[in-house]
Amino acid sequence: AQSVTQLDSHVSVSEGTPVLLRCNYSSSYSPSLFWYVQHPNKGLQLLLKYTSAATLVKGINGFEAEFKKSETSFHLTKPSAHMSDAAEYFCVVSGVYSGGGADGLTFGKGTHLIIQP
Amino acid sequence: NAGVMQNPRHLVRRRGQEARLRCSPVKGHSHVYWYRQLPEEGLKFMVYLQKENIIDESGMPKERFSAEFPKEGPSILRIQQVVRGDSAAYFCASSSGGVVETQYFGPGTRLLVL
Repeated sequence: AQSVTQLDSHVSVSEGTPVLLRCNYSSSYSPSLFWYVQHPNKGLQLLLKYTSAATLVKGINGFEAEFKKSETSFHLTKPSAHMSDAAEYFCVVSGVYSGGGADGLTFGKGTHLIIQP
Repeated sequence: NAGVMQNPRHLVRRRGQEARLRCSPVKGHSHVYWYRQLPEEGLKFMVYLQKENIIDESGMPKERFSAEFPKEGPSILRIQQVVRGDSAAYFCASSSGGVVETQYFGPGTRLLVL
């Protein structure tokens, strides 16, 4: 079975400062890993995706994430936060035998990102 | 290109009624997934369908819940005899293939059971 742990339920940063959202995963197989963002009362938007190519993955809106197999981590970062980044962020794992079924995604519980002016 | 469409966006039902949620995938996508999001939680996988077939329903409750994806028309998630615990946001996603393909999500249907 696979699982995802998002280490912080809430992260608060000031506008213009760096963002770090932490994610650890466990998987018996080579996973595909994703970060999705959900704005209030909206659907989910894919930020970026790792599928065993480059370990540093660049996504939309200036976000990037680094896959570290030795640490089983896939942390999301952004150099400078913007007010529009305030949202819920989900770390997600998929694999042949994901916990959600053969082709379902397994979601972390989410990190609520708060941007202080 | 139109993304994944879900309707209704909001649905209110009384206990014991039926709820019917619709999902139209991205044009050309033949794989549909349904997820449920309870308050303050991440999404939980419910069911994976391809056209006219249920591939994996391991996340879907055995009673009262059913899903279909007919040859023509949207995918339907049906909840019979709703209870208060069914109140949640239900998201549909579609992809062009299986596990290695990105899933694109719709805006969700927020079900409230009174």
